[in-house]
Amino acid sequence: ETGVTQTPRHLVMGMTNKKSLKCEQHLGHNAMYWYKQSAKKPLELMFVYNFKEQTENNSVPSRFSPECPNSSHLFLHLHTLQPEDSALYLCASSQIKANYGYTFGSGTRLTVV
Amino acid sequence: RKEVEQDPGPFNVPEGATVAFNCTYSNSASQSFFWYRQDCRKEPKLLMSVYSSGNEDGRFTAQLNRASQYISLLIRDSKLSDSATYLCVVSAFGGTYKYIFGTGTRLKVLA
Repeated sequence: ETGVTQTPRHLVMGMTNKKSLKCEQHLGHNAMYWYKQSAKKPLELMFVYNFKEQTENNSVPSRFSPECPNSSHLFLHLHTLQPEDSALYLCASSQIKANYGYTFGSGTRLTVV
Repeated sequence: RKEVEQDPGPFNVPEGATVAFNCTYSNSASQSFFWYRQDCRKEPKLLMSVYSSGNEDGRFTAQLNRASQYISLLIRDSKLSDSATYLCVVSAFGGTYKYIFGTGTRLKVLA
């Protein structure tokens, strides 16, 4: 398997639920990212991990909790979300200090009810 | 001012037409530039990088104007399959490369 794989593809959750999004990359990259894409808004960077260390948190609410156990895996743990958190959540990976752009996963479309 | 600005469109063009998109960026320290393509309900995919001297890939031509801080994408002989949203991306290096995305320009190629 190659590229960046995200699961699940679709997720519907209630505001009191706890769920996790998973991302796995098979490209040998050493940086991974979580982005949020809402309708008619640009992609919003949420978190950046370099060599599994978090290097950036763009003022993301604590109801989103990332985890990066190694350079190939990234999780986004969700709890007590709000309806406005409904969006497409995209994982991406890249090579640090190489400027070739990102490779994105296919995303998780999240609906909070 | 937004860091990366694009006309959201949609641009509706007939098959075979030539269409051009522009994108402006605010950070003069931006170092690298890309165009991504995003199909409906899919992830963005890298279309091409944009080099200072301009570059071409088949029917697609990208240009960079650093003095005016804009980049452009020209699509010749449009195909139905070119219908998508085109995202302008700029990056700057600060320990790692940070990519800023525009909201995208939507293109519809009509039969």
